[in-house]
Amino acid sequence: DIQMTQSPSSVSASVGDRVSITCQASQDVTYYLAWYQQKPGKAPRLLIYGTSSLQSGVPSRFSGSGSGTEFTLTISNLQPEDFATYYCQQANSLPYSFGPGTKVEI
Amino acid sequence: QVQLQESGPRLVKPSQTLSLTCTVSGGSILTANYYWSWIRQPAGKGLEWIGRVYTTGITNYNPSLESRVTISVDTSKNQFSLSLSSVTAADTAVYYCARGSLTMDPWGQGTLVTVSS
Repeated sequence: DIQMTQSPSSVSASVGDRVSITCQASQDVTYYLAWYQQKPGKAPRLLIYGTSSLQSGVPSRFSGSGSGTEFTLTISNLQPEDFATYYCQQANSLPYSFGPGTKVEI
Repeated sequence: QVQLQESGPRLVKPSQTLSLTCTVSGGSILTANYYWSWIRQPAGKGLEWIGRVYTTGITNYNPSLESRVTISVDTSKNQFSLSLSSVTAADTAVYYCARGSLTMDPWGQGTLVTVSS
C-alpha cells in the first residue's frame, strides 16, 4: 500500500498570505494526486485532481504541482473561507490512500 | 447536479453488522463510467478509503477491511450500499459515500455511526 505524508501538520497564516502544503508518497504515484478541503462538520470537497487540474468552481488562488512522490498545494492570497483542513489523496494504485491532513489556521 | 445521501442506523452493537445505503439523486447511477465509493473518518482523524463498486457490481476493497466489507449496487433504486461485519469500537466514524473512479466528487454529507452496547 502507498503511504501518504503531509507537512506541516498545521500552519498559522493571515488573510492575504501565500501558503504551501507538501504531500509525499511512499511510492511513485505519477500524477495521480488530488487535494481536498474539509471544513469542520462538513464533507471533503475536491479542489485539485491530476496534480494540477482545478475542479470546476474552485478559485484560481488554489494551485497544485509536483510529480512522482512529492507534491505541493499552494493557496495564494488566503481568504477567510480557506481556513480548513487539507488532505492529499493518491489515485495511482488501490487501495487509495489519503494524507493525514494539514490544518490551516488563523 | 448529482447529490448523495447516506442513510442507516446510527448506533450498532459490537460484533454486529453496520449497514448503510447511499441514495444518488439528480442523475442516474448508471451515467458515465463512475465507480461509487465509501470513505470513513473517525472523530478528529483522517480519511480512510473503504472501497468502491462499479455499476456492473465489480468491487474493490481496502485490504485492511476486506474480510469484513461488502459493497453492492442497486441500479433500479439508484443506490449503493455498505456492509461492515463484526464491528468494534474502532469502527466508530463518520461514513461518507462519494462518486468517483480516481478522485471522489461529490460526497454525501456523511453519517456518524457509533459502535457501542
